Amino acid sequence: SQTIHQWPATLVQPVGSPLSLECTVEGTSNPNLYWYRQAAGRGLQLLFYSVGIGQISSEVPQNLSASRPQDRQFILSSKKLLLSDSGFYLCAWSVPFSLYTEAFFGQGTRLTVV
Amino acid sequence: AQSVSQHNHHVILSEAASLELGCNYSYGGTVNLFWYVQYPGQHLQLLLKYFSGDPLVKGIKGFEAEFIKSKFSFNLRKPSVQWSDTAEYFCAVTRPYSGGGADGLTFGKGTHLIIQP
Repeated sequence: SQTIHQWPATLVQPVGSPLSLECTVEGTSNPNLYWYRQAAGRGLQLLFYSVGIGQISSEVPQNLSASRPQDRQFILSSKKLLLSDSGFYLCAWSVPFSLYTEAFFGQGTRLTVV
Repeated sequence: AQSVSQHNHHVILSEAASLELGCNYSYGGTVNLFWYVQYPGQHLQLLLKYFSGDPLVKGIKGFEAEFIKSKFSFNLRKPSVQWSDTAEYFCAVTRPYSGGGADGLTFGKGTHLIIQP
């Protein structure tokens, strides 16, 4: 069966420090991968998605970047965190070109920038 | 690109009241529809989903949703809410055979539901 792992669960980082959040999927090949951010009162905001290795699309211009170095690995990064980067970050995957497309979510990372 | 609208951003109800949360989507073709729930301090969980067949879908914890194709709607309902239903609820849409990306998975902005004892 497929599983998705996201870590760390919580993170407190100072302003200006770098960030690396990792997400890995097991039990499937060539998944679509997504990074979402959930800020207070703003719902789920799609940040990045990837349809293959090295293929990253950004939905919102910002201080963050994403990479997909391996088929089932998706990394969210920042060189210098801002206070506004605080929020709850969710990784998700889905099966591409499927009749019954469903998204599966990781446990999320609560990021607090201080 | 498709979009999803959740009309009520904040809803406050008393226990035992009936609940209906609205969700409308913009895409005119075949869609897969979902409701997710996020309880305080927890991760996103699937409440129910619709792929095809009976437009009335039953999910966990007594929730149900009805797909009305002519209205592009997928409203969530529960006859009698409990205090433990306090959570954030998200409606989502995907398109079959989508290659992925922003058009493959679209969420509404969420409804914050508070149930008062």
